[in-house]
Amino acid sequence: GAVVSQHPSRVICKSGTSVKIECRSLDFQATTMFWYRQFPKQSLMLMATSNEGSKATYEQGVEKDKFLINHASLTLSTLTVTSAHPEDSSFYICSARIQYTGELFFGEGSRLTVL
Amino acid sequence: AQSVTQLDSQVPVFEEAPVELRCNYSSSVSVYLFWYVQYPNQGLQLLLKYLSGSTLVKGINGFEAEFNKSQTSFHLRKPSVHISDTAEYFCAVSEGYGGSQGNLIFGKGTKLSVKP
Repeated sequence: GAVVSQHPSRVICKSGTSVKIECRSLDFQATTMFWYRQFPKQSLMLMATSNEGSKATYEQGVEKDKFLINHASLTLSTLTVTSAHPEDSSFYICSARIQYTGELFFGEGSRLTVL
Repeated sequence: AQSVTQLDSQVPVFEEAPVELRCNYSSSVSVYLFWYVQYPNQGLQLLLKYLSGSTLVKGINGFEAEFNKSQTSFHLRKPSVHISDTAEYFCAVSEGYGGSQGNLIFGKGTKLSVKP
């Protein structure tokens, strides 16, 4: 099946710093990627929809200035957590939609820990 | 609006026993249904999906699910589980438009624990 890669898989940072997480579709083009957040022992919550070449669409309650999303190419979307705080610590997962079939494939996830 | 309800947050079973993980959904339009498995500290892996056609869907690792439109259910089953099936299982629904998946709405997950 198609492969979606996230990097880094784990990141620890100090409070107040910014962290960038990359989501790449390795063997297909993805005009649309999704970013999810998963709290411990809970389900995935959609944060935003990332569209190549345009602004991301954020879900209600998600701070646009806190979670910056850039989808500069058909194979790469990035999520930047700006001025991170301990409450931003979470597991972030991306998915990418294959352009012609519409199927979704998920990345391995990135665990962010803010000290 | 779509929603997904996974009725059991935890399901403990013994190895080689059968298991059923329940999932009910609500939607006003036609839907695509999915089951994903998540191992600790990993992303999601697709187990199986229902898009159209036969209501009994077979997936990987010996899992299968049956789409029941009248009961708005999509329960996941396996006749004999292994220790390696211990994981979190998520049911998800997507409204389909022209064959393309829309945004996925996930249930809260069911933690399957297989004991020796």
